[in-house]
Amino acid sequence: AQSVSQHNHHVILSEAASLELGCNYSYGGTVNLFWYVQYPGQHLQLLLKYFSGDPLVKGIKGFEAEFIKSKFSFNLRKPSVQWSDTAEYFCAVLPDTGRRALTFGSGTRLQVQP
Amino acid sequence: EPEVTQTPSHQVTQMGQEVILRCVPISNHLYFYWYRQILGQKVEFLVSFYNNEISEKSEIFDDQFSVERPDGSNFTLKIRSTKLEDSAMYFCASSWGLAGRTDTQYFGPGTRLTVL
Repeated sequence: AQSVSQHNHHVILSEAASLELGCNYSYGGTVNLFWYVQYPGQHLQLLLKYFSGDPLVKGIKGFEAEFIKSKFSFNLRKPSVQWSDTAEYFCAVLPDTGRRALTFGSGTRLQVQP
Repeated sequence: EPEVTQTPSHQVTQMGQEVILRCVPISNHLYFYWYRQILGQKVEFLVSFYNNEISEKSEIFDDQFSVERPDGSNFTLKIRSTKLEDSAMYFCASSWGLAGRTDTQYFGPGTRLTVL
C-alpha cells in the first residue's frame, strides 16, 4: 500500500521568507499528486495537483510544487510567504489504478509571523 | 464558487448512540466520499459512493458504518453504535467523476464528532 511522508510537522517563518515543505510518497507506479491547504476554521482546499506532463506545477496564491519521480517527492514551494498563508498543508497521493481513495500525509502546520 | 457543505459542525453523543452526519455535495458531482481525521493523526479514507452504491471502502468502514443518498442533494454517513474511538473530524468530499484520472475531490468543512 502507498504511504505519504511529510517531514516537517510545524514550520515557523517570518513574512517574506521562502517556503519549502517536503512530501515523499512510496508507490512504485504512476501517481497523481495533490497539495491541499486548510486555513484555520475552514475546509480543505486544493492548492495544486499533478497528473502528468510538466513536473513543475503552479497553483493558487503563488504556490508551486515540483514532482521529482526519481526521489518520489512532490515538494511545495513559495518564494515569499505572507501572514495569510498560516494554515495546515497536506500532501496526498492517488495511485493511477482507477481507485479513488486519497492517501494523505500527516500535514505540516505553517505559522507565518508578521 | 460551489462548495461542499456539512452539518452539523460539531456533534456530541454518548457511546452506543447512533449518529448521522450530513453532507451536501457539489450539485453536478457524481462521486461522493467520506474521510476522517482522528486528532493528531492523518486524514484517512473511509468510503466512496457512486451511482447509489459503495464503490470502494477501507478496512475502517466496518458494519457499524453505512452511507446513503436519501434524496437528490444529501449524502449521509451513519454510525450505528458509536465508540469512543469514533471521535474524529469527518470530512465529506465530492468529485465530478467523469474526468478519469484527473478527477479532483473537493472537501467540506468537516463535522467534529465527540463520543463521550
